[in-house]
Amino acid sequence: EADIYQTPRYLVIGTGKKITLECSQTMGHDKMYWYQQDPGMELHLIHYSYGVNSTEKGDLSSESTVSRIRTEHFPLTLESARPSHTSQYLCASSEAGGSYEQYFGPGTRLTVT
Amino acid sequence: ILNVEQSPQSLHVQEGDSTNFTCSFPSSIFYALHWYRWETAKSPEALFVMTLNGDEKKKGRISATLNTKEGYSYLYIKGSQPEDSATYLCAPLLIFGQGTTLQVKP
Repeated sequence: EADIYQTPRYLVIGTGKKITLECSQTMGHDKMYWYQQDPGMELHLIHYSYGVNSTEKGDLSSESTVSRIRTEHFPLTLESARPSHTSQYLCASSEAGGSYEQYFGPGTRLTVT
Repeated sequence: ILNVEQSPQSLHVQEGDSTNFTCSFPSSIFYALHWYRWETAKSPEALFVMTLNGDEKKKGRISATLNTKEGYSYLYIKGSQPEDSATYLCAPLLIFGQGTTLQVKP
């Protein structure tokens, strides 16, 4: 079983609030990813990191930001939540090199009212 | 954004039926092709990773083939069981298709 955790699992929050979605993994993976999935749509990569102090934007533009200060931790922050941010956010990690096989967390379902 | 197409979008079969899905991707972006299985209320889990043209992988009743030159992969499930009900995602590199949602009726 994959050791990758996300908190909270569900979050309902008002417009304008700052939120941080937490993601941690205990597998020592260098690579970590954030995906966004709207209902009925594909998983879209919004951020990724190939190691500490390395972060890149994915192919889907996002107003969120990420940080990677420790290998095991890859939090995602929204400075001012809006209803358009309502979505499911999935965190994943993979080993350095190799085939990019990813281990996924359980996801955070965010609703902004 | 490069396009990854999966078909069909959804599928309803009876227990014992065999079924297959397709994943199409631009062959120019190929590095590795992953199949994931995503059950409701769980996390996506890796089924197969395929890297070479002509690759065939098998895990129990599920198998997959890969054609990198024409840009497609097939996933087969032989003798579907209710526990096979899930969404099956393919991903060449970090780009995911929309998935095929399989419902197997007892």
